[in-house]
Amino acid sequence: EVQLVESGGGLVQPGRSLKLSCAASGFTFSNYYMAWVRQAPTKGLEWVASITNSGGSTYYRDSVKGRFTISRDNAKSTLYLQMDSLRSEDTATYYCTRAGDAWGQGASVTVSS
Amino acid sequence: DVVLTQTPSTLSATIGQSVSISCRSSQSLLDSAGNTYLYWYLQRPGQSPQLLIYLVSNLGSGVPNRFSGSGSGTDFTLKISGVEAEDLGVYYCMQATHAPLTFGSGTKLEIK
Repeated sequence: EVQLVESGGGLVQPGRSLKLSCAASGFTFSNYYMAWVRQAPTKGLEWVASITNSGGSTYYRDSVKGRFTISRDNAKSTLYLQMDSLRSEDTATYYCTRAGDAWGQGASVTVSS
Repeated sequence: DVVLTQTPSTLSATIGQSVSISCRSSQSLLDSAGNTYLYWYLQRPGQSPQLLIYLVSNLGSGVPNRFSGSGSGTDFTLKISGVEAEDLGVYYCMQATHAPLTFGSGTKLEIK
């Protein structure tokens, strides 16, 4: 069974950092393109960042470029999202997704003083 | 960025009724290789999104065949043939043909 389990969410002050992890199991992680998608409270889905299966290429939405870093460890079957210089508008549930066909349960990130 | 416009924003249906949701793109989603990367998801209350349809018309794993997708170019439709109570939630279309990946604003399905 394909499983994606996010962790690392929480309450953080503006300007601080947080690192999300997504542990994958039930499939060959290194074969898949992975992404982070977020959903602000009561809002729709918004793509954040993507990474190719090898990790050789990464892509970001404009509003997080230079602040967020997506990475992966294929040996550990784990996806990461390093979030620096967090802003209140980054408050959301963050989902990791396997190329859009499988999703984790989400990690809640609240940026507030 | 590609804008996906979903209509209606809210849909109210009785059990057994057939309904359709439209997703219109600001650009053609057909790529140079002849692929159309248009997907449909259902997000039930309090849950993460679940893939329903991929590549316009292919049913996701374990998805009931009352769901179907169709369309081409810029116009796409998700149809539910015989709504069931478990179908309530918000439906999203998503395109992955053009970077960045974008989502429609969602259609909330309510059960009367």
